[in-house]
Amino acid sequence: NAGVTQTPKFRILKIGQSMTLQCAQDMNHNYMYWYRQDPGMGLKLIYYSVGAGITDKGEVPNGYNVSRSTTEDFPLRLELAAPSQTSVYFCASSKGLAGGNEQFFGPGTRLTVL
Amino acid sequence: DQQVKQNSPSLSVQEGRISILNCDYTNSMFDYFLWYKKYPAEGPTFLISISSIKDKNEDGRFTVFLNKSAKHLSLHIVPSQPGDSAVYFCAASGETSYDKVIFGPGTSLSVIP
Repeated sequence: NAGVTQTPKFRILKIGQSMTLQCAQDMNHNYMYWYRQDPGMGLKLIYYSVGAGITDKGEVPNGYNVSRSTTEDFPLRLELAAPSQTSVYFCASSKGLAGGNEQFFGPGTRLTVL
Repeated sequence: DQQVKQNSPSLSVQEGRISILNCDYTNSMFDYFLWYKKYPAEGPTFLISISSIKDKNEDGRFTVFLNKSAKHLSLHIVPSQPGDSAVYFCAASGETSYDKVIFGPGTSLSVIP
């Protein structure tokens, strides 16, 4: 049981490049989330999904896109990378609603945009 | 405007003593609170939670206290151990739904042997 896995662990992008951060979970959780964490700040919700085919915006969705074609996978797409997207990105999943249930987090992807 | 505040960025405590981490919130509609712990280069892990119908929840060395009138909660760790050294995030939910949580900025706890 791997839990929540994220790839890559580290990535450096040039301004204007695009990339996809991968996230997968093997716990059959319906709910999945993408967060970013900037230095000295808490986790900010980017997008979330309550099941395959259903996604919704979080607090800071601009510059990102998501899709959820399967229960297991929830990739995050960055188009036209900007320095403001330099951050650590965490994917999480939960059995029920995040507000009332434990979220399981992946190890994170550290992204630098230069 | 931060809805969940952790005003102490860092805290140092001697091993064996009590660690008290504080959290304040501004939205009176929040009614479920969670604490997560994070080690460097890892994702956060769930520690303990409390709903607004309670004022205390205990799990081993960890106890969370909720004071709704003051919009304040605290996490007590007794006794503190060096392995407790981590960043602790307070989180809240329930403003309009429970599908997402709002995280505080975190408090970095150092337990000195």
